[in-house]
Amino acid sequence: AQSVAQPEDQVNVAEGNPLTVKCTYSVSGNPYLFWYVQYPNRGLQFLLKYITGDNLVKGSYGFEAEFNKSQTSFHLKKPSALVSDSALYFCAVRAASGGYQKVTFGIGTKLQVIP
Amino acid sequence: KAGVTQTPRYLIKTRGQQVTLSCSPISGHRSVSWYQQTPGQGLQFLFEYFSETQRNKGNFPGRFSGRQFSNSRSEMNVSTLELGDSALYLCASSLVLAGEVETQYFGPGTRLLVL
Repeated sequence: AQSVAQPEDQVNVAEGNPLTVKCTYSVSGNPYLFWYVQYPNRGLQFLLKYITGDNLVKGSYGFEAEFNKSQTSFHLKKPSALVSDSALYFCAVRAASGGYQKVTFGIGTKLQVIP
Repeated sequence: KAGVTQTPRYLIKTRGQQVTLSCSPISGHRSVSWYQQTPGQGLQFLFEYFSETQRNKGNFPGRFSGRQFSNSRSEMNVSTLELGDSALYLCASSLVLAGEVETQYFGPGTRLLVL
C-alpha cells in the first residue's frame, strides 16, 4: 500500500536558521514526490516536485528538497527561515496503482518560525 | 491566468440534507480532483475526473459522488449528510500531457459545516 509519513507534527525554528521538514514514503515502483504549503484558511500551494534526475530539487520561496532513494525520504529544506514561512506543509507521493495515478498526502507538519 | 475557483466558500447544512459543491479548473486543465481535509484524517482523496470520466476513486461511501462537464468544470455531491462530513473540501486541477507527471493546483476550498 502507498503511504507517506511526516513524523513531526510541528517543527519550531528561529528566524534565520536553517529548517528541515521530514518526509518518508512507501510505494511500489517509481515515486513522484511533491511538497505543498497551506496558509490558514487557504488551499494548498505547490512548492516543488521530484520526478527524475538530480536528487536536489529547487522550488518556490527558496525551498529545496532532497530525494534519497535508499532511505525513501524527501525532506524539505531551506537555508534561512523567515517568519512568513510559518504554515502547514504537506508531502505527497504520486505513483501508479492499479492502472491509475494515485496520490497520497502526509498528515502535514506545522512549521513555526520564531522571530 | 485565473486560478482554481470553488463555490461556495462556506456552507452550513443539517444532518440528512444534501450538498453540491462546484469547482472551476484553471483554463486548459482537463483533470479535476477532489479531496476532503479534516483535522483528524488529514487530506484524503475523493475522486478524480478527466474529460468527463471518473478515472480514480478513493475510499469514500457512495453518498459522495461527482461529475465533470464538457468545459472541465466539476461538481461534487454529498447526500444524506452526517456530522462527520464537516470538512474543508479542496479541488485541484492539473494539465494532462502524455508522458508528463501532473502538478496539481488547488483552489481555496469549500468549508462545510454539518449541524
